[in-house]
Amino acid sequence: DSGVTQTPKHLITATGQRVTLRCSPRSGDLSVYWYQQSLDQGLQFLIQYYNGEERAKGNILERFSAQQFPDLHSELNLSSLELGDSALYFCASSERNRNYNEQFFGPGTRLTVL
Amino acid sequence: AQKVTQAQTEISVVEKEDVTLDCVYETRDTTYYLFWYKQPPSGELVFLIRRNSFDEQNEISGRYSWNFQKSTSSFNFTITASQVVDSAVYFCAPLTGANNLFFGTGTRLTVIP
Repeated sequence: DSGVTQTPKHLITATGQRVTLRCSPRSGDLSVYWYQQSLDQGLQFLIQYYNGEERAKGNILERFSAQQFPDLHSELNLSSLELGDSALYFCASSERNRNYNEQFFGPGTRLTVL
Repeated sequence: AQKVTQAQTEISVVEKEDVTLDCVYETRDTTYYLFWYKQPPSGELVFLIRRNSFDEQNEISGRYSWNFQKSTSSFNFTITASQVVDSAVYFCAPLTGANNLFFGTGTRLTVIP
């Protein structure tokens, strides 16, 4: 158990809908990262937050957005969903915004768009 | 630009055999960090090891060992006396300057009892 929690574990929805994925980092971790794992794209970085502020952006679509709240939990919002958004979405956390800190991953949220 | 290559897509070994997973990382950066993660069938990503580009000393942890050679850009991972529980997808992942992990395509290891 990494200490990172994600809800829900599974999500099934329809095209055009909007969903919110939630992540609680390990106690004391200030950095939160979101990754997407799909058959087409593999595992890719979406976005990072550090202590409530956006720090880095990867291949995140404009239809997707994220935020980190004062209690450090984070939410990833996916809107106007398409079939291709079906994937496993991981949240990870690390202690500081240092590039040598290992990132600990949550169990993931499996999103299925029908 | 950077590139991480895990040329072995799938490997099958018989239990108790040793197996080495290859990773080649090409970058112009002189300082960087490399990580290995394991993704078992249950789906979670498990951190295994972090190495920095200054430390080429091999590391051993139980049945796991890592061989990092900067001159060849390789960061290989060896499992000694493999077990069925080692069956998983293994990812090599350098850390980019933007502080995110850049995952390779992964190597699926199947250990046959």
